Amino acid sequence: NAGVMQNPRHLVRRRGQEARLRCSPMKGHSHVYWYRQLPEEGLKFMVYLQKENIIDESGMPKERFSAEFPKEGPSILRIQQVVRGDSAAYFCASSPGPPGTGSTDTQYFGPGTRLTVL
Amino acid sequence: AQTVTQSQPEMSVQEAETVTLSCTYDTSENNYYLFWYKQPPSRQMILVIRQEAYKQQNATENRFSVNFQKAAKSFSLKISDSQLGDTAMYFCAFEVEGIGFQGAQKLVFGQGTRLTINP
Repeated sequence: NAGVMQNPRHLVRRRGQEARLRCSPMKGHSHVYWYRQLPEEGLKFMVYLQKENIIDESGMPKERFSAEFPKEGPSILRIQQVVRGDSAAYFCASSPGPPGTGSTDTQYFGPGTRLTVL
Repeated sequence: AQTVTQSQPEMSVQEAETVTLSCTYDTSENNYYLFWYKQPPSRQMILVIRQEAYKQQNATENRFSVNFQKAAKSFSLKISDSQLGDTAMYFCAFEVEGIGFQGAQKLVFGQGTRLTINP
């Protein structure tokens, strides 16, 4: 069973460009979470999505950031007009569906995407 | 709001020794989960151990065990017979139990403890 997949692993953008980060959850998982890790810090929650629904976006910056998890395909975290402060590692995690489908409260992480803004 | 505090930024022990990493948290919730994640130099986040708050028995996974003190809101990780491969950042994390069909909720992480195992 393949783990959580993220691509690209490394992404370099110039200020003002757009960054698109992709996440494919583990097989059978329908919940996706995005976290950001600044250098020498812990992970900070950004957004929690289920298929075609945003469940909790309380950690998302109000501007320039958006996330989606379409019916088909990976989850996408999109950052418009990137600035140097967006440089960080972005982690995606997934967990199974509703109660009764397994260990519903454990999140499994992907390898992360390291974004560098020049 | 929940907070997680790891008071030891760095720790260093010799191979084969036992080491304990501390973690405290603050919450008004009664039903929740606690986790320890390991982040080696590869930066991959690896689940080490998980504890349900309603369980009094401390979780164990091979050389890893926890000391969960619910009243004190303390959740320490003990690594026995430490190995060079245990060198990593260790993060304590808290999660409120999901309601109904919401599934897992957001994780709140501590700042991490950088653990070095010396040969």
